[in-house]
Amino acid sequence: DIQMTQSPSTLSASVGDRVTITCRASQSISSALAWYQQKPGKAPNLLIYQASSLESGVPSRFSGSGSGTEFTLTISSLQPSDFATYYCQQYYSMATFGQGTKVEIK
Amino acid sequence: EVQLVESGGGLVQPGRSLRLSCTVSGFTIGDYGMSWVRQAPGKGLEWVGFIRSNAYGGTTEYAASVKGRFTISRDDSKSIAYVQMNSLKTEDTAVYYCSRWQQPAQYFHHWGQGALVTVSS
Repeated sequence: DIQMTQSPSTLSASVGDRVTITCRASQSISSALAWYQQKPGKAPNLLIYQASSLESGVPSRFSGSGSGTEFTLTISSLQPSDFATYYCQQYYSMATFGQGTKVEIK
Repeated sequence: EVQLVESGGGLVQPGRSLRLSCTVSGFTIGDYGMSWVRQAPGKGLEWVGFIRSNAYGGTTEYAASVKGRFTISRDDSKSIAYVQMNSLKTEDTAVYYCSRWQQPAQYFHHWGQGALVTVSS
C-alpha cells in the first residue's frame, strides 16, 4: 500500500502569509495527487488534481507542484476563509489520504 | 446540478450490520466511479472502497481495514450507491461520505454531506 505523509501537522499563520504544505509518498505516484480543503462539519472540497491542475472555481492563490514522491500545496496570500484542514490524496493505486495539515490563525 | 445525499446512518451494536445509501441526481450514476470515504471523530480521511463505472466493468475494490466485511454496490435504475457494512466494530465509527469520480482517475470533484455511523454497545 502507498503511504502518504504530510508536514507539518499544524501550521500557524497570519492573513497575507505565504503558506506551503508538503506531502510525501512512500513510492512514486507520478502526478496522481489531489489536494482538498476541509472545514469543520463539512465534506472536503477539491482544490488541485493531477498535482498542479487547479479545480474550476478555486482561487488562483492556491497552487500545487511536484511529481514522483514529493508534492507541495502553496497558498500565496492566506485569506480568512483559508483557515481549515488540508489533505493530500494519491490515486495512483487505489486511494490514500495524508493525515492532514491544520492551518490555524497565528 | 450534481448532488449526492447519504442516508441510513445511526447507532448500531458491535457485530451487527448496517447499509448506507447514496442517492445521486444530476448525472447518470453508472457513468462514474463511486467511492466511500470515512472520517472517524476528530481524525483524518480514510478511503473505504469504490465501485467502477459500467464502462470499466462495475467492479469493486476495498481498503484492507474493511475487506471481507463491507460490500459496495449500485442500483443504476434508482441512482443509488450502497455500502453494506457487516460485522461492525467500534473502530468503524465515523462519518461516511460518498463521492463521485471520473474514470480512470479516482479524485473527487463531488461529495455528499456525510452520514454518521456510531458502533457502540
